[in-house]
Amino acid sequence: QKEVEQDPGPLSVPEGAIVSLNCTYSNSAFQYFMWYRQYSRKGPELLMYTYSSGNKEDGRFTAQVDKSSKYISLFIRDSQPSDSATYLCAMSAWEYGNKLVFGAGTILRVKS
Amino acid sequence: EAGVAQSPRYKIIEKRQSVAFWCNPISGHATLYWYQQILGQGPKLLIQFQNNGVVDDSQLPKDRFSAERLKGVDSTLKIQPAKLEDSAVYLCASSLAIGGSTPYEQYFGPGTRLTVT
Repeated sequence: QKEVEQDPGPLSVPEGAIVSLNCTYSNSAFQYFMWYRQYSRKGPELLMYTYSSGNKEDGRFTAQVDKSSKYISLFIRDSQPSDSATYLCAMSAWEYGNKLVFGAGTILRVKS
Repeated sequence: EAGVAQSPRYKIIEKRQSVAFWCNPISGHATLYWYQQILGQGPKLLIQFQNNGVVDDSQLPKDRFSAERLKGVDSTLKIQPAKLEDSAVYLCASSLAIGGSTPYEQYFGPGTRLTVT
């Protein structure tokens, strides 16, 4: 079993839809939870991060962490074609030097 | 502020050949990371430097991979000899923080896409 599981997709939605991206994990020690966006032939760029449980909102993006279920989500409202990319979740724990452990990434396609 | 620079962007080699990648981190960033991203997978940490010392190389295949960060700035990652399964994107990232205290503050370069035939 992988430490971090993420459905690779692709997920195809019409412009304006609400997108839900999810990851599950097995290591309860994880404390930081990050979402990265990666465009084709580019490096990952940080979208949002959350420490421990709870919600965080930034514009059209909302990140949720449920540590009791070991489940994290990223919601994108009013999705745009420019949101088409691969979305990677990543997690880290102090006791492992905060080394990032990534999911496989979900490919998102927003059609206009 | 300039980002993380990597070169070359693309490289095609035959198996058993050697290859080297170069990374120039963001100015002043103490910590430098090399990741391997195989197609369809997330990045996997190969090695972490703090200044010019190695912090974590537990996932670096040391029989064929080597890395150095002389003078605590630029870094090179070398593969010798390359295998077919080394085909991947090699990402370099840097962070101002020391000791992984802010894991979300890693800035990634565009990567080097390696194809081994």
